[in-house]
Amino acid sequence: AQTVTQSQPEMSVQEAETVTLSCTYDTSESDYYLFWYKQPPSRQMILVIRQEAYKQQNATENRFSVNFQKAAKSFSLKISDSQLGDAAMYFCAYRSARRGRDDKIIFGKGTRLHILP
Amino acid sequence: DSGVTQTPKHLITATGQRVTLRCSPRSGDLSVYWYQQSLDQGLQFLIQYYNGEERAKGNILERFSAQQFPDLHSELNLSSLELGDSALYFCASSLGLAGASSYNEQFFGPGTRLTVL
Repeated sequence: AQTVTQSQPEMSVQEAETVTLSCTYDTSESDYYLFWYKQPPSRQMILVIRQEAYKQQNATENRFSVNFQKAAKSFSLKISDSQLGDAAMYFCAYRSARRGRDDKIIFGKGTRLHILP
Repeated sequence: DSGVTQTPKHLITATGQRVTLRCSPRSGDLSVYWYQQSLDQGLQFLIQYYNGEERAKGNILERFSAQQFPDLHSELNLSSLELGDSALYFCASSLGLAGASSYNEQFFGPGTRLTVL
């Protein structure tokens, strides 16, 4: 079974600084997606960034980028120029990309990110 | 706004009762997923329907059931409620199935907050 582990329950970063959230996962599959979701106080689940396992290039979305290490099964999220609006719970997540497999999303326990003004 | 709607937003009920949560997927989406977010279990997948048929089951209790209707909206029924069922219940929808299209993103609704007293 696939698992997703986030070892940092909480983190803090100074506004405008850079922070990296860690995530490791376990799977025997070779074809999958990895995600980072943001959940602000409103509780809405917001997709921040997606990485396809077959792509070697790390995904980037504006101030958000990932460091995808497939062999090490590591998937960290870097937030540059942190803003007060980045304060939220961040979930690392996994989903199979194999045709015929169920496409449920498996979530880590989350990392609560605090932005210090 | 993801285009997925969930009603009600909040629900307060007593132990032993039965409730129904409703989800309307985005226009054109055939797959509906239910997730439960609780303090002790985190975010976990409950069940998926695709075009009216049950597609995948996760950690869904026998007291819980779901269905997807011909108009593609879905309902999650929770019965014999216990204190531990208090959680945020998310519905997500997607166009199809994993591998059937290029990506098949799941779009999350705003959730229904269930409180069992």
